[in-house]
Amino acid sequence: DQQVKQNSPSLSVQEGRISILNCDYTNSMFDYFLWYKKYPAEGPTFLISISSIKDKNEDGRFTVFLNKSAKHLSLHIVPSQPGDSAVYFCAASVFQAAGNKLTFGGGTRVLVKP
Amino acid sequence: DAGVTQSPTHLIKTRGQHVTLRCSPISGHKSVSWYQQVLGQGPQFIFQYYEKEERGRGNFPDRFSARQFPNYSSELNVNALLLGDSALYLCASSLVSASRDEQFFGPGTRLTVL
Repeated sequence: DQQVKQNSPSLSVQEGRISILNCDYTNSMFDYFLWYKKYPAEGPTFLISISSIKDKNEDGRFTVFLNKSAKHLSLHIVPSQPGDSAVYFCAASVFQAAGNKLTFGGGTRVLVKP
Repeated sequence: DAGVTQSPTHLIKTRGQHVTLRCSPISGHKSVSWYQQVLGQGPQFIFQYYEKEERGRGNFPDRFSARQFPNYSSELNVNALLLGDSALYLCASSLVSASRDEQFFGPGTRLTVL
């Protein structure tokens, strides 16, 4: 049972436009959400996160929105740049005294065209 | 500063064999987690270790085992390899194992089982 889902396997966007990546989750215990970016032959790198007590977090060109009632989050990249072409993973975790296990979605491959 | 390192980079094994994958965390990090990423899917949590103790285990068979050494490096062992074990194995390190403690991923070991 996939607890974190990214329903769009790929996304193509023109340079300078907005990229919107979506993620849905089913486990209501999740209270911390992250986005990772992965280039080929490299490990995932952390992009941005959001706690469940917030509905928006912004860091430069990256903004994450959280809709707890819909169990949905999205990542906005504005403006998109060719270097943003990568696979993006949504991940979630449950606050616990020990351990920071991440549950990942299947990923969305983003292609930014010059 | 060196990031998370993993060895080997690539590995080819046959069914029934066993394999040992190695991970060195970022200096100062005391927690190591292992994830399996099958082609086309997101990483799936296997184990987390902190201060040489297991802090979490994912839904993997007993053929999978791991340990952490006094220098905080870690090994992942897989016995009786199956074709379905073919995947990218990612190691992530974090300062401690507290929830929301950022995890830094290595480049992974690509395991192919023939």
